[in-house]
Amino acid sequence: SQTIHQWPATLVQPVGSPLSLECTVEGTSNPNLYWYRQAAGRGLQLLFYSVGIGQISSEVPQNLSASRPQDRQFILSSKKLLLSDSGFYLCAFAPDNLYEQYFGPGTRLTVT
Amino acid sequence: AQSVTQLGSHVSVSEGALVLLRCNYSSSVPPYLFWYVQYPNQGLQLLLKYTTGATLVKGINGFEAEFKKSETSFHLTKPSAHMSDAAEYFCAVSGPYGQNFVFGPGTRLSVLP
Repeated sequence: SQTIHQWPATLVQPVGSPLSLECTVEGTSNPNLYWYRQAAGRGLQLLFYSVGIGQISSEVPQNLSASRPQDRQFILSSKKLLLSDSGFYLCAFAPDNLYEQYFGPGTRLTVT
Repeated sequence: AQSVTQLGSHVSVSEGALVLLRCNYSSSVPPYLFWYVQYPNQGLQLLLKYTTGATLVKGINGFEAEFKKSETSFHLTKPSAHMSDAAEYFCAVSGPYGQNFVFGPGTRLSVLP
């Protein structure tokens, strides 16, 4: 079966520190991968998506970046966190032969 | 391009009452439509989807939705609300083959005892 993992579940980081969130998918090959952010009380904001290894599309310019070093691994990074980076980060995948997206459990990031 | 509106950011119903969450979409191509549910501090879970074929689709937890092209709507319903249905619900639209996937702003459902 297809599963998606995200870690860590929660993270508290000081302003100016680096960030690395990891997402991995199992049970499917060549999925489309997505990073979303959900600010408190707000909807989903698409940050990045990837249709293949090394292929990253950015939807919103900001101090975040994404990488896809392997087919089923998607990493969200920042060199220096801002207070405004706080939020709930969700990774999602769309299997190669389906159109819907499946979400991971999310990472709650608090920047202090 | 696709877009989604969800009427009502917060809907309250009594336990046992009908649940109706509204979703209207805009799409320049035949849409694929989805409903997701999100419980607090969790990821989104797919409730149901419409791609082609039968316009009334049934999903998990007793929910169903009907695609009405003439009204550009995809409202979510459940005949009888349960306390466990309290959550955030998101409608989403994409083009054929899943491109340009767009989420609505969400509707928070509260179920009153």
